[in-house]
Amino acid sequence: DQQVKQNSPSLSVQEGRISILNCDYTNSMFDYFLWYKKYPAEGPTFLISISSIKDKNEDGRFTVFLNKSAKHLSLHIVPSQPGDSAVYFCAARAGAQKLVFGQGTRLTINP
Amino acid sequence: SAVISQKPSRDICQRGTSLTIQCQVDSQVTMMFWYRQQPGQSLTLIATANQGSEATYESGFVIDKFPISRPNLTFSTLTVSNMSPEDSSIYLCSVEGGAGANVLTFGAGSRLTVL
Repeated sequence: DQQVKQNSPSLSVQEGRISILNCDYTNSMFDYFLWYKKYPAEGPTFLISISSIKDKNEDGRFTVFLNKSAKHLSLHIVPSQPGDSAVYFCAARAGAQKLVFGQGTRLTINP
Repeated sequence: SAVISQKPSRDICQRGTSLTIQCQVDSQVTMMFWYRQQPGQSLTLIATANQGSEATYESGFVIDKFPISRPNLTFSTLTVSNMSPEDSSIYLCSVEGGAGANVLTFGAGSRLTVL
């Protein structure tokens, strides 16, 4: 049972444009959500998070939106830069439970 | 945040053999987590390693297949036993902390290919 789903395995965006990565979840008990970025041959690194009491969190070029009624999470990157090319993982947890990850979306930023 | 070193970074193994992955953290941590990422799949938690006690395994993972050691607060090993091609994955060590208590910091991972 895949509780966190990233339905787009890949996404290609022009440099300077907005990148939107999507994530859906099924467990209504999830109360904390995170995005990780992973470069080849490196471990995932934390990017941004959001608590379920908020619907938006912004950090520089990165904004995460949470729609609890739709059980949907999205990460917006604007403007997109070539260094943003990586695999992005959505993750969620319920209280002190383990983190549950999505399958990842490979983002490619084209010059 | 903690700095995690894993080795080997990659290896090619023969079916039926076992391989031990080492994870070293630059600070003392209570819990260390071992994850697996199969090709094209999400990161799946294998087990949680606590110093001084048996590791706690997630559903679908057993100690005979993935024995874990945790001799002190900065070090852990994961062994992948009696390997088959299905065990070809990236194995990642992680600890809590960094940008917040809810955030995991990961090592670079160990990419195993089983022939």
